[in-house]
Amino acid sequence: LAKTTQPISMDSYEGQEVNITCSHNNIATNDYITWYQQFPSQGPRFIIQGYKTKVTNEVASLFIPADRKSSTLSLPRVSLSDTAVYYCLVGDVDTPLVFGKGTRLSVIA
Amino acid sequence: GAVVSQHPSRVICKSGTSVKIECRSLDFQATTMFWYRQFPKQSLMLMATSNEGSKATYEQGVEKDKFLINHASLTLSTLTVTSAHPEDSSFYICSAADRGTTDTQYFGPGTRLTVL
Repeated sequence: LAKTTQPISMDSYEGQEVNITCSHNNIATNDYITWYQQFPSQGPRFIIQGYKTKVTNEVASLFIPADRKSSTLSLPRVSLSDTAVYYCLVGDVDTPLVFGKGTRLSVIA
Repeated sequence: GAVVSQHPSRVICKSGTSVKIECRSLDFQATTMFWYRQFPKQSLMLMATSNEGSKATYEQGVEKDKFLINHASLTLSTLTVTSAHPEDSSFYICSAADRGTTDTQYFGPGTRLTVL
């Protein structure tokens, strides 16, 4: 049983900001929140990871409220190449990650 | 960032033969690696947890005698699909835990297995 819940799909136009929210009500104290991107026939690619508050890197931002029961991945100015499945996962670094269905993002020109 | 490789990237074999898939962490040591399987249009399903120097832990419903896992070093885990059958055809993906540096799991590119 997946530990996280995300929207099944989202559509966006090129150049817009996309926010994908994930619920993880039963997150444990030691759990990190990690987002991955997966293209067809490829392994998941690490996007960003956080524990609390806000994390930003060169490709995305991750917003985590104080209760840590949810998180939001923010992708600024998406392009067609951002069309992929995005997975939100919670867990410690050396515990198995339980994948949910992910969010299928479609970017439209 | 940390890199995990898999070899081969794709393999086609005859029913009844065995296939070995390698998973390597290229720039970090991983005491723990994981093996997943992904069928078309579905999410990744955990098969087993591979620990360096000890026996793997298999998920319920995964036959340990069919999917042999060996984690002989801190940078290499192998998955051997024994007596493969067409229903074993799938996309196999490994991940490796980079504990102590980034505290993140990194995934390999996957291996496409087709059993004829």
